[in-house]
Amino acid sequence: QTVVTQEPSFSVSPGGTVTLTCGLSSGSVSSTYYPSWHQQTPGQALRTLIYNTNARSSGVPDRFSGSILGNKAALTITGAQADDESDYYCVLYMGGGIWVFGGGTKLTVV
Amino acid sequence: QVQLVESGGDVVQPGGSLRLSCAASGFIFSHYGMYWVRQAPGKGLQWVAFIRFDGDYEFYTDSVKGRFTISRDSSKDTLYLQMNSLRGEDSAVYYCAKQAGNFYYMDVWGKGTTVTV
Repeated sequence: QTVVTQEPSFSVSPGGTVTLTCGLSSGSVSSTYYPSWHQQTPGQALRTLIYNTNARSSGVPDRFSGSILGNKAALTITGAQADDESDYYCVLYMGGGIWVFGGGTKLTVV
Repeated sequence: QVQLVESGGDVVQPGGSLRLSCAASGFIFSHYGMYWVRQAPGKGLQWVAFIRFDGDYEFYTDSVKGRFTISRDSSKDTLYLQMNSLRGEDSAVYYCAKQAGNFYYMDVWGKGTTVTV
């Protein structure tokens, strides 16, 4: 069974840069998995940040960027702000109508 | 403005059934695939099911196959999730989400409805 891996937690200073990653328990993540990233903040609806590896959704600040780093998908936040403190989820399309979410990363801005 | 509003969540006994609804507005519902995604208390997101824009294809995560059925009614702009033989591990907030065109991701999310088994 495929497991999508994410760091359970991460901490960044205000104004700092952080890179969250999204990997596979077996194999490498590539653009063919169409990785997307979603932000979950308590009290707010889930928000799609990045799709197709590196495309930003409408209205998403350009401090959020996506890429492939090595064998993982990555979400980089440059110039972190207090309201970036959220849970971040990647999801991969495995083919055959199947999607798998990573376990999520809880980002703290301190 | 694209909007998805889930309803139907409730407290149900193990082995029971429940039907969730997701009312869509602000877009041409019949043109887009739709998802159900759930989140158990204190846990991460889990993809549950997907239905193609025309309703001709449905896909499920293994743990709900044979118990859950995703469907849609384009005359009502509504997505459904029929859940049978419910188990404790099905307790979660259930979100519906819209597929982004022909792309393989969710671009708009509802706020969820809570199911407790």
